[in-house]
Amino acid sequence: AQSVTQLGSHVSVSEGALVLLRCNYSSSVPPYLFWYVQYPNQGLQLLLKYTSAATLVKGINGFEAEFKKSETSFHLTKPSAHMSDAAEYFCAVSTTGGGADGLTFGKGTHLIIQP
Amino acid sequence: DSGVTQTPKHLITATGQRVTLRCSPRSGDLSVYWYQQSLDQGLQFLIQYYNGEERAKGNILERFSAQQFPDLHSELNLSSLELGDSALYFCASSVEGGRGWADTQYFGPGTRLTVL
Repeated sequence: AQSVTQLGSHVSVSEGALVLLRCNYSSSVPPYLFWYVQYPNQGLQLLLKYTSAATLVKGINGFEAEFKKSETSFHLTKPSAHMSDAAEYFCAVSTTGGGADGLTFGKGTHLIIQP
Repeated sequence: DSGVTQTPKHLITATGQRVTLRCSPRSGDLSVYWYQQSLDQGLQFLIQYYNGEERAKGNILERFSAQQFPDLHSELNLSSLELGDSALYFCASSVEGGRGWADTQYFGPGTRLTVL
């Protein structure tokens, strides 16, 4: 069975600073990995996904994530935080691509942007 | 707007009751997924349907059931409701939803269920 650990339920950064949200996964087979963002009172929106092609994945809104097999990590970064980035971020893993078993989500990290 | 619609937006009911949540997937998507989001358990996958057939089951209770109709909309039925069933229920859809397909799942806005 797969699992996801997101370190830090809350992360606070200043506007313009680097954003780093941590995600470690556990999977017995090569995983597919996803980052989703949830704004207040809304559904989840896909930021980016890793599907075993390039290890550095670029997503929407300036976010990117790097798959590191040796560290079983898929951390999300953004060079310069913007106030509009304040939201809940979820890392998710699947062993079948997201289909045929659903997604396994981490607990989420609430990103706070300080002005 | 993801293109996935869910009704109702809010639902308040009493313990022991039964409710039905409805989801319409994006046009052209064949797979529908149901997830439950609660403070205790986080986001949990409940069940997946593909083109009318059940494809995968997650942590879905026996009191809960779902189906996907010929027009591809889906309903999640929750019965004998308990206080602990209060949560946000999301529906998501994807084009394919099969093994090896890194489908993007598009999420609806959710139905907030409150059991009193």
